[in-house]
Amino acid sequence: SQQGEEDPQALSIQEGENATMNCSYKTSINNLQWYRQNSGRGLVHLILIRSNEREKHSGRLRVTLDTSKKSSSLLITASRAADTASYFCATDSYTGANSKLTFGKGITLSVRP
Amino acid sequence: DVKVTQSSRYLVKRTGEKVFLECVQDMDHENMFWYRQDPGLGLRLIYFSYDVKMKEKGDIPEGYSVSREKKERFSLILESASTNQTSMYLCASSPWINSGNTIYFGEGSWLTVV
Repeated sequence: SQQGEEDPQALSIQEGENATMNCSYKTSINNLQWYRQNSGRGLVHLILIRSNEREKHSGRLRVTLDTSKKSSSLLITASRAADTASYFCATDSYTGANSKLTFGKGITLSVRP
Repeated sequence: DVKVTQSSRYLVKRTGEKVFLECVQDMDHENMFWYRQDPGLGLRLIYFSYDVKMKEKGDIPEGYSVSREKKERFSLILESASTNQTSMYLCASSPWINSGNTIYFGEGSWLTVV
């Protein structure tokens, strides 16, 4: 079953603008991760935020987590054409001996040069 | 760098054929996963394995089986391929960590069943 739901489904912006993508989930999580997928390729991990963290930065990426609202946002600042890709949130609801991630359906980001 | 290698990038198979998708990782990871990805549905977990010879069903295991005889290799088997199994298949691996796993993906295998 899919846990994370991204919003919007598609986003088109001009190079240099900021891109904000949102993810909502239903059940308690241990951490939330964002992944990126270039067209026709595998997914690449971008950033992880733990349930006891509220905000995290990595380069031009900023992730926030609001566990009371069960939501997260990924902000890409000063976007570039090379940021064009699909972005997925994944939730880790580990309860047993091991954990597995559940992915959302993804957001397609297009950055126009 | 972690490398997850899927043996076939593109395959075309006939309905009813038995299909093997092979995946090898070079980082001694305990966990390995098979996902399928379809437009509008995102990634869905088929099977995963947390140790050699161990396997657990994911969200959509019907029509698939898996094999993990060696730690580095995880195979997805379509016993009798059907057209609704046309999809992109993604293999992934991660280390044995209770939480905070980063999953490393292969490049994907595009399977068309005709």
